[in-house]
Amino acid sequence: EAGVAQSPRYKIIEKRQSVAFWCNPISGHATLYWYQQILGQGPKLLIQFQNNGVVDDSQLPKDRFSAERLKGVDSTLKIQPAKLEDSAVYLCASSLGGIYNEQFFGPGTRLTVL
Amino acid sequence: KNQVEQSPQSLIILEGKNCTLQCNYTVSPFSNLRWYKQDTGGGPVSLTIMTFSENTKSNGRYTATLDADTKQSSLHITASQLSDSASYICVVSGVVAGNMLTFGGGTRLMVKP
Repeated sequence: EAGVAQSPRYKIIEKRQSVAFWCNPISGHATLYWYQQILGQGPKLLIQFQNNGVVDDSQLPKDRFSAERLKGVDSTLKIQPAKLEDSAVYLCASSLGGIYNEQFFGPGTRLTVL
Repeated sequence: KNQVEQSPQSLIILEGKNCTLQCNYTVSPFSNLRWYKQDTGGGPVSLTIMTFSENTKSNGRYTATLDADTKQSSLHITASQLSDSASYICVVSGVVAGNMLTFGGGTRLMVKP
């Protein structure tokens, strides 16, 4: 079974530029998550989708971050404009639901903002 | 406020030695607790998941324990290997809609030859 795919794996941009990340969840997983993980910390949830609807985006900085999952499968996360403090690993995860609701994580995209 | 605290923040041990990582949480009501291993440059990978009724679960050389009364969990690694060098993250799920997860800050383990 293929895992969660993310691209690009690494991205370096200058502050005030825009950047987009892509995620392809495990086939059949209705729930998709985007996390931000700053070096040395645990992941922080940015947004959760159930199919193509948003379940929780309370911690998404909506003035600069946006995410979409138009067809309920792939998702993109965009930052516009980027700030220095956005340097982090952006993790995508998906889950099937159920009692454990186990989340499977992708390898992440490491963003460096200069 | 739901919180998950892990200790120590970092740990260095010699190959072949055992070690124990700690996790304390305040998530309530509690659904389940997971331990993830995260290699440098990779995403977290699940090691164990335990519900309220389970107090120990093993996955090879990894053994997790859970005391739901004191809200504490531990991850014991036996006969460490160089490949165990990674961050270990404790994650707790509460019994709310969507089973939102609360992540600990992780313990960074380095195993030296």
